[in-house]
Amino acid sequence: ETGVTQSPTHLIKTRGQQVTLRCSSQSGHNTVSWYQQALGQGPQFIFQYYREEENGRGNFPPRFSGLQFPNYSSELNVNALELDDSALYLCASSSDQEYEQYFGPGTRLTVT
Amino acid sequence: AQSVTQLDSQVPVFEEAPVELRCNYSSSVSVYLFWYVQYPNQGLQLLLKYLSGSTLVESINGFEAEFNKSQTSFHLRKPSVHISDTAEYFCAVTAGGTSYGKLTFGQGTILTVHP
Repeated sequence: ETGVTQSPTHLIKTRGQQVTLRCSSQSGHNTVSWYQQALGQGPQFIFQYYREEENGRGNFPPRFSGLQFPNYSSELNVNALELDDSALYLCASSSDQEYEQYFGPGTRLTVT
Repeated sequence: AQSVTQLDSQVPVFEEAPVELRCNYSSSVSVYLFWYVQYPNQGLQLLLKYLSGSTLVESINGFEAEFNKSQTSFHLRKPSVHISDTAEYFCAVTAGGTSYGKLTFGQGTILTVHP
């Protein structure tokens, strides 16, 4: 069974640029959630995708957007990057048969 | 909406000593509770969960947590810690219904085990 994978591992961008982060969900999972973990903080829920539709959103501006594909993999897009967007971005997958989330290793985004 | 408070940001302890990491939550509905562990430069790993049934839940590596509804707590304990338990621990909560699978995390507790 393949776990949750994320790419890239690390990324450095300049303020104002756009970035796309990718996530492959665990086999058999149809739900993907994205979290932002700033340094020294707990993860904050960004949004969730279930069967290719957004299924809930946290307190993040519209420049954070996402997609889920028919194979249940997902992308997180962030436009107009700000310095405060520097964080570890975590993807988690789950099925609609269980409540726990299974996390990937994360993408470390640095905005300069 | 739910919220989680982890009462200690850092807990230093000596090897083989007992430890308790405290977690309190707030919610107007029934919740499901989790503890996750994060090792340096890694993602989160599920340590244990409370969904229903027995209020005392255990992990395979000796941690346990007890759901206390009246005190809205879900404290994590281990009777004897090892150096390898050094990590950051996060308490998390989710509700059912439309909140299904959307976790609210605490700020984390850094557990440091000294030899």
